[in-house]
Amino acid sequence: AQRVTQPEKLLSVFKGAPVELKCNYSYSGSPELFWYVQYSRQRLQLLLRHISRESIKGFTADLNKGETSFHLKKPFAQEEDSAMYYCAVKAGGYNKLIFGAGTRLAVHP
Amino acid sequence: EAQVTQNPRYLITVTGKKLTVTCSQNMNHEYMSWYRQDPGLGLRQIYYSMNVEVTDKGDVPEGYKVSRKEKRNFPLILESPSPNQTSLYFCASSGTFLAGELFFGEGSRLTVL
Repeated sequence: AQRVTQPEKLLSVFKGAPVELKCNYSYSGSPELFWYVQYSRQRLQLLLRHISRESIKGFTADLNKGETSFHLKKPFAQEEDSAMYYCAVKAGGYNKLIFGAGTRLAVHP
Repeated sequence: EAQVTQNPRYLITVTGKKLTVTCSQNMNHEYMSWYRQDPGLGLRQIYYSMNVEVTDKGDVPEGYKVSRKEKRNFPLILESPSPNQTSLYFCASSGTFLAGELFFGEGSRLTVL
């Protein structure tokens, strides 16, 4: 079965420090991976998707099929990055996104 | 404003009292879905709908019903709520779901006593 694992419930860093939010998935085919973010008092929204190979708000994520990982990275964290981050996988042929449990990122001044 | 609207946002009810959580989107999206969010478990899909009159079970459909009579609406029905259905519920929609981007509602926090 498809599964997404986010091993950290909470990641606490200081402003300007590098950030890496871990995501591992289990799927035997060719998955599509996404990161969603929920800022305080806002809706859950798409941050980035691996097929776009884009950088959004300074965040990047590389799909590593060998390690089945899709870690989210940012070289210098900002206080406004504090939010709940969810990794999600869309398995081909399945009409759903499977979400991980989420990681709360707290960036301190 | 393009958005997904859920009602009610907060509800406290008692075991066995039928309730409906409404979901409406104004983006002409074909795909709609319901998720529940529980601590440590992330979001789990309850039901989804690829289009009008087409619905299917997600990962945790027990105790829930849905209907899709109109494109814009996708209500979630709890016929006989139980305490284990206490959760935060999210409705989401997508144009075709091919791109995998979901647009979420603000969530409905339900407590069943």
